[in-house]
Amino acid sequence: DVKVTQSSRYLVKRTGEKVFLECVQDMDHENMFWYRQDPGLGLRLIYFSYDVKMKEKGDIPEGYSVSREKKERFSLILESASTNQTSMYLCASSPPRFEQYFGPGTRLTVT
Amino acid sequence: KQEVTQIPAALSVPEGENLVLNCSFTDSAIYNLQWFRQDPGKGLTSLLLIQSSQREQTSGRLNASLDKSSGRSTLYIAASQPGDSATYLCAVMGSGSKLTFGKGITLSVRP
Repeated sequence: DVKVTQSSRYLVKRTGEKVFLECVQDMDHENMFWYRQDPGLGLRLIYFSYDVKMKEKGDIPEGYSVSREKKERFSLILESASTNQTSMYLCASSPPRFEQYFGPGTRLTVT
Repeated sequence: KQEVTQIPAALSVPEGENLVLNCSFTDSAIYNLQWFRQDPGKGLTSLLLIQSSQREQTSGRLNASLDKSSGRSTLYIAASQPGDSATYLCAVMGSGSKLTFGKGITLSVRP
């Protein structure tokens, strides 16, 4: 079974802090994704990586950056957290153009 | 720009009913379509993937169909059970490996 894990289920941070969200997959998938999910807005793609050190902006990349130094790990970085980044963050992985598998999500609250 | 619509946003049915969840998309140039299930506060679980060349896929009590030319997909759930209560999302993949999601249908199956 494919397994995608995220470093935290719940996280509370203060405004202005630098926040790291980690995602690890165990299926040697080329593609990894970071989404955020908000009520009424659905899932929106933040960043996408199709290979180690390769990344592509999604629909809402402002205020975020990513890092993929190893194939199995994809990190989302909030350089200076703001209250409007309070959200559920979901990581996914997939082979190219195939089924996406999601992690359990991290609920981030920025106060 | 691809848009995915799921109507209605919520549905309540008595246990045992067969039901159909609808999904429509505006751009028929898709690579595949995926149906997901999401329980409250959790990540997404992949239910079915239909490639653009396929018309339907089945898994247990679930059957998903795809009519690419009309921009429609349906998820059929046979003999619904209270454990089927969740939010169901459809997502389409265009060029590249990125998914565009609908906002989901929240299903409640009453005992």
